[in-house]
Order: sequence, then structure tokens, then C-alpha cells
Amino acid sequence: QQQVKQSPQSLIVQKGGIPIINCAYENTAFDYFPWYQQFPGKGPALLIAIRPDVSEKKEGRFTISFNKSAKQFSLHIMDSQPGDSATYFCAASIPGTYKYIFGTGTRLKVLA
Amino acid sequence: DAGITQSPRYKITETGRQVTLMCHQTWSHSYMFWYRQDLGHGLRLIYYSAAADITDKGEVPDGYVVSRSKTENFPLTLESATRSQTSVYFCASSEYRRGGRETQYFGPGTRLLVL
Repeated sequence: QQQVKQSPQSLIVQKGGIPIINCAYENTAFDYFPWYQQFPGKGPALLIAIRPDVSEKKEGRFTISFNKSAKQFSLHIMDSQPGDSATYFCAASIPGTYKYIFGTGTRLKVLA
Repeated sequence: DAGITQSPRYKITETGRQVTLMCHQTWSHSYMFWYRQDLGHGLRLIYYSAAADITDKGEVPDGYVVSRSKTENFPLTLESATRSQTSVYFCASSEYRRGGRETQYFGPGTRLLVL
């Protein structure tokens, strides 16, 4: 119930492509869904986040789509660039605890 | 503006030794967290702290001890290191705000190798 399942494990796209990373959860009490980006040798950094009362959120080339009934959310990267090559983690927040449950991560490589 | 720092950045130790990983944040955030990152497992919460002298277990606390005597510091101790504790350890912090949903800010990580 506390898991967040993330797929795919790895993804390779050409420059300009639109990689999509998917996450699914079971616990309907989760109330906040952030995405983190991590470059090699660095700590994760918040990329974009969404609340369950919103179906879509865009920030620059990054878009979260949220499907509450299906208990799924996904990250889309428009016009992907080699500089987007990183590991991406979805997460879900446990209400009232400040704790996150993280997905297992997706390693994205964007080819030049 | 140092933010959140971790030391050491790299550590090699032997099975059975005690190791302490340090975490320091300059924002006066109430919440602090320790995660370990392993391939195939993502980030798993070891311990967290809501304030000085308040700590609680996360998903994988066995073999670890934490303390928080000051708001800005949150050391993680491996009392008797095992090979299975070879990992990358991340410290994070977040502000307290009613209702939660606060961003967690991560440190640069400590790579620990237990031989």
C-alpha cells in the first residue's frame, strides 16, 4: 500500500523526443506527488510537483499528468535535450508526516 | 549560502567498524531525513527527525542510529558496519509548514564502501 511503482527502469531517446516516465500508487491518501531529477554524483533536486486535485501541471518543458481514478501519474519531457540525461524519481507524500515514498528511478539518456 | 552539506563525501571502512556520517543544514529546517540509494531500490528512508531530540524510524532503520541534539545537525551512525550497508547515503531537510507538502532538499551524498 505504501509503494510507488515506477517504469521504465531505463529509457533512451533521440534529441527532441518526448520521454514519458510512469508511476503508479495504491494508497489513495497520498496528497502530494513530486518528481526529482538527479545527475551523476549529485543529490536529487525537485523538478516539478503536483497535488491530486490537479490533472496536469507544466513547468517549461516538463509536464506532469495525473490520473486520480487510475492512481497513476507521469512525467513528460518535451523537446528533450542531452542535458536532460539524468535519473528521475517520482515520489508520493504521506499526509501529515513530511515523509516521501520514492519510486525506484528511471535512468534517461537523450542522444545528441 | 551553504545549504545542506554532508561529510565525508567518500568513505571506505571494514566490516564491524563504527562509522558516522555527518549532515549539516544552514536553513534551520525543522525536518531532516536520511536515505540510502541502491540500484533497483531507489531512495529508501532510514530515519527522520521532526525537530531537535525527536527522531523516528523509516523503512530500513536496522543497523543505524541517529541523534539530533541541534536543529542543524543530523548525524547517522552505523554501529557495526556490514557489507550490505555499502551504499550512497543522502541527507535531506524540509521546512515545517502546516499541511505538509514541503520540498525536501538533498545534500550531495556520501559514498560508503564496507569491505
